[in-house]
Amino acid sequence: KAGVTQTPRYLIKTRGQQVTLSCSPISGHRSVSWYQQTPGQGLQFLFEYFSETQRNKGNFPGRFSGRQFSNSRSEMNVSTLELGDSALYLCASSAAGGYTDTQYFGPGTRLTVL
Amino acid sequence: AQSVAQPEDQVNVAEGNPLTVKCTYSVSGNPYLFWYVQYPNRGLQFLLKYITGDNLVKGSYGFEAEFNKSQTSFHLKKPSALVSDSALYFCAVRALNAGNMLTFGGGTRLMVKP
Repeated sequence: KAGVTQTPRYLIKTRGQQVTLSCSPISGHRSVSWYQQTPGQGLQFLFEYFSETQRNKGNFPGRFSGRQFSNSRSEMNVSTLELGDSALYLCASSAAGGYTDTQYFGPGTRLTVL
Repeated sequence: AQSVAQPEDQVNVAEGNPLTVKCTYSVSGNPYLFWYVQYPNRGLQFLLKYITGDNLVKGSYGFEAEFNKSQTSFHLKKPSALVSDSALYFCAVRALNAGNMLTFGGGTRLMVKP
């Protein structure tokens, strides 16, 4: 099975712009979670989608949003970019998002905000 | 609220020696515990998880972890370290009241020297 894929792998934007990141989960997986990784804050949970519905949300401002499509692919959007949004954004998929499910991570999208 | 602590930012070990990467957690109710490894410019790779049952969990690449409920610990171990094990290791916990969200520790950099 192919793993989790994320596009693009690298992105450079300027402050005030918006960005959309894409994630394709492992085939058959219905839950997609997004995490932000920074040197200062470490790995932080953004949100989770299951069956096109946001099921859980972390403590991030409303500029961070996401959605999931009927084929389980997910996108996250960050509007009005700030310098502090520079990070590695990781997507993870799991079969059903159950408590015992393993989350499998993609390679991430490295976002740099100038 | 749930939390994970990895008390060592870096662990140095000689190739062939046993290694231990420490993790302690705080969660309400039964914990679901995970270890992931991250190589440079890569996403997180799943190593092993503890859900229930035997306190000694075996995972990928010869790694194992011991769940200790009284000490709220889940240390990662390997009997004989390889240079290729050098990477960043993350411990994570999921609690029943936190949906599918993983809470990660700050990470421990493992350096295995020849």
